[in-house]
Amino acid sequence: QKEVEQDPGPLSVPEGAIVSLNCTYSNSAFQYFMWYRQYSRKGPELLMYTYSSGNKEDGRFTAQVDKSSKYISLFIRDSQPSDSATYLCAMIYNNAGNMLTFGGGTRLMVKP
Amino acid sequence: DAGVTQSPTHLIKTRGQQVTLRCSPKSGHDTVSWYQQALGQGPQFIFQYYEEEERQRGNFPDRFSGHQFPNYSSELNVNALLLGDSALYLCASRGDGVVYGYTFGSGTRLTVV
Repeated sequence: QKEVEQDPGPLSVPEGAIVSLNCTYSNSAFQYFMWYRQYSRKGPELLMYTYSSGNKEDGRFTAQVDKSSKYISLFIRDSQPSDSATYLCAMIYNNAGNMLTFGGGTRLMVKP
Repeated sequence: DAGVTQSPTHLIKTRGQQVTLRCSPKSGHDTVSWYQQALGQGPQFIFQYYEEEERQRGNFPDRFSGHQFPNYSSELNVNALLLGDSALYLCASRGDGVVYGYTFGSGTRLTVV
């Protein structure tokens, strides 16, 4: 079993829809939770990070972490065609190197 | 401000050969990590370098080795290439102490034939 699970999609939505992306994880030691966006032929780009449990909002994006359920979410409001990309969740537990552990990514397509 | 720069962008190698990939971190960053991303998968951690030392290593064989130079740039070397080594190799840098602040390069696409 992978440490971080993510539905691969693809997820296809109409422009303007609310998008919900999710990850589950098994290691309760994870403390930092990130969402990355990756366009085709590009490296991942950090969208949001959250430390421990709670919600965080940044413009059209909201990240939620529920450590009791080992479940994290990213919501995108008023989705745009430019949001079409692969979304990767990633997690860190505090150690010397703070390596990122990624989910497999969800491919999102927002249709005009 | 230049971000993370990786070279080359694409590479085709024959099974059994050796390859070296290069990474220049973002200005002000001193910690460099390497990740392997197979097609349709999330990136997998290979190793991390800080102060020219390997600080942490993922579940990769010894065929994968690296180096960090005094200017913080880094190389990833892979020996005895296998077909399964075909992937996008990503370099990520951050400042020491900024746990979540990784910046990724666009990667090197390695194809082993």
